[in-house]
Amino acid sequence: GNSVTQMEGPVTLSEEAFLTINCTYTATGYPSLFWYVQYPGEGLQLLLKATKADDKGSNKGFEATYRKETTSFHLEKGSVQVSDSAVYFCAQSGLTGGGNKLTFGTGTQLKVEL
Amino acid sequence: GAGVSQSPSNKVTEKGKDVELRCDPISGHTALYWYRQSLGQGLEFLIYFQGNSAPDKSGLPSDRFSAERTGGSVSTLTIQRTQQEDSAVYLCASSLESRFDNEQFFGPGTRLTVL
Repeated sequence: GNSVTQMEGPVTLSEEAFLTINCTYTATGYPSLFWYVQYPGEGLQLLLKATKADDKGSNKGFEATYRKETTSFHLEKGSVQVSDSAVYFCAQSGLTGGGNKLTFGTGTQLKVEL
Repeated sequence: GAGVSQSPSNKVTEKGKDVELRCDPISGHTALYWYRQSLGQGLEFLIYFQGNSAPDKSGLPSDRFSAERTGGSVSTLTIQRTQQEDSAVYLCASSLESRFDNEQFFGPGTRLTVL
């Protein structure tokens, strides 16, 4: 079945450091790929998405490229801020009965320190 | 505009009791999803509605779990005879359509604790 694997956390970085959170997926067909973020005390919100191979999603300085050849969708940011501290979830869509069920990775907690 | 709302925000119940969790999706969103977030299992899909129909119930963990949606809007997730392993945060999400690339908008969740 479809699955998503992302790197274990927690990840602790200093402000302005470079961030990479790895994500790989297994799927039949060509899913859409998403990164969702959960800030402390808040609900899940979409950070970025990519719907086909070689697409790059970007938002708030974060980027991820849909790599079909490596089945990956790694999240990157060149210079993290304290306000980026949150839990990040990689997810893929899976058409099911006409719907769009999301399969999530386990989440990676990011802590950014001054 | 209003986002997805869920009630109650917290629910503490005793083992064996029934609970009802409510979700109000964004107005006009035809697709509605329930997920569960727990420490041991991460984020899991439970059920999907398109309008008032549930084409995919494959994630419901047992027959103690059921859900309905009325008027193409509000949805209720019911858990009968709750067990301690049902303790989790139950999340509702809605999207404009059920296309594979549609963004799902999540509510704040209901934290269920079964004593």
